[in-house]
Amino acid sequence: DQQVKQNSPSLSVQEGRISILNCDYTNSMFDYFLWYKKYPAEGPTFLISISSIKDKNEDGRFTVFLNKSAKHLSLHIVPSQPGDSAVYFCAASAEETSGSRLTFGEGTQLTVNP
Amino acid sequence: KAGVTQTPRYLIKTRGQQVTLSCSPISGHRSVSWYQQTPGQGLQFLFEYFSETQRNKGNFPGRFSGRQFSNSRSEMNVSTLELGDSALYLCASSFYPRGPSYEQYFGPGTRLTVT
Repeated sequence: DQQVKQNSPSLSVQEGRISILNCDYTNSMFDYFLWYKKYPAEGPTFLISISSIKDKNEDGRFTVFLNKSAKHLSLHIVPSQPGDSAVYFCAASAEETSGSRLTFGEGTQLTVNP
Repeated sequence: KAGVTQTPRYLIKTRGQQVTLSCSPISGHRSVSWYQQTPGQGLQFLFEYFSETQRNKGNFPGRFSGRQFSNSRSEMNVSTLELGDSALYLCASSFYPRGPSYEQYFGPGTRLTVT
C-alpha cells in the first residue's frame, strides 16, 4: 500500500523557470510533511517541511503548499537552477500512529536545463 | 557542525555472512533512524532509536536489528545476509523523535553489496 505517491518519475524544466513537484498521500493521520533532495550515492538532503496546520511554507527559492482536503502537496522551486537537478522525495510522518517514522514517495528526477 | 557520519561507506559481503553498520548522529541529536533504499522498494523505514530504546520498527525480518549507545551513536546488524539485502543503508538523526518542528538529517549512507 503506497501511502505517499509521486506520480511523475521525471520532470524537465528550463533554467530560470518554475519547477513544480507534486505528491499525493492517502493516510489522513499524516501531520508533517518534508521534501528531500538526493544526489546519486549520497544521503537525502533536507529542503523544507510543513506541518498539517499550515497550508504554505516558504524558504528562499523553495515553497511547499499543502492541500489537506485533496491530500496533496507540492514543492515549487523558483527560479530553477541547473544545480537543482536531482531526485526529489516527498516524505510524511504521523506522530500519533508511527512517531517519527518517515514514509517516502518514489521520487521525481528533476532536470534543469541551462 | 559535523553532519551525520556513517561507516563504512562501502561494503561487500557474501551470502550467509553478517554485517554491522555504524552511524554517528549530529552532535546533540538523540534520535536515530535507519532506512533501506533499493531500486525496487524505494526508501523503507527500518527502525528508530531514542535514549537507547527502540521506539519504532518497520516491516523487516528479525535478521535486521539495531542498537543505540549512551552517546547516541547507533549500529545496525544484518545476519545471514541474502542477495536481496544489497542496498544503500541510510541513517538519519534528529533532536527528538517528534515535535512541533521536526526534521531528520541523513548521512551519506553505506552501500552494501551481497554476492
